[in-house]
Amino acid sequence: DAGVTQSPTHLIKTRGQQVTLRCSPKSGHDTVSWYQQALGQGPQFIFQYYEEEERQRGNFPDRFSGHQFPNYSSELNVNALLLGDSALYLCASNRDRGWSDTQYFGPGTRLTVL
Amino acid sequence: RKEVEQDPGPFNVPEGATVAFNCTYSNSASQSFFWYRQDCRKEPKLLMSVYSSGNEDGRFTAQLNRASQYISLLIRDSKLSDSATYLCVVPRGGSQGNLIFGKGTKLSVKP
Repeated sequence: DAGVTQSPTHLIKTRGQQVTLRCSPKSGHDTVSWYQQALGQGPQFIFQYYEEEERQRGNFPDRFSGHQFPNYSSELNVNALLLGDSALYLCASNRDRGWSDTQYFGPGTRLTVL
Repeated sequence: RKEVEQDPGPFNVPEGATVAFNCTYSNSASQSFFWYRQDCRKEPKLLMSVYSSGNEDGRFTAQLNRASQYISLLIRDSKLSDSATYLCVVPRGGSQGNLIFGKGTKLSVKP
């Protein structure tokens, strides 16, 4: 039973570029959440997707956008990259049960913006 | 008051020691709580869930005090392999809530 997978594992971009990160949820899971973790900080919620729609959003600018596909996989897009976007981007998945369910995290994508 | 606040750490303890981490949260409506463990440069992994007054799993005990909005994690008989960052996590909202993480408390267990 594959857990949450993410690609790529590492990425280096320059300021102003755009990036797309990918996530496949754990088998049986239909909800995907994305988090940003800066060095020395806890993960911060970016947004959550369920039934191919953004259901909740954290305090992130519109440069951060996402998508969920019919197979529940998801993408995170970041436009006009800033140096401050350098972080570990984590995807988490869970089953939607109408209440907060345990979220399982993928290994993350480490993004470096130069 | 921050939504989730943890002991800043780091904690440096010898093998066999008992160590306790504290966490406070601001949303009195929160119903469930989690402790995640994160190894260096790895993803967070669920350590314990807390839904009532507490939970125990082997050497690990989590306690919840709703009146004080306080959660603790106790590790007994520390092992070298317990070295990691421990994250206190509170879901925002009662349903499908996104997770609010504390900054984490780093634990180093020394021989």
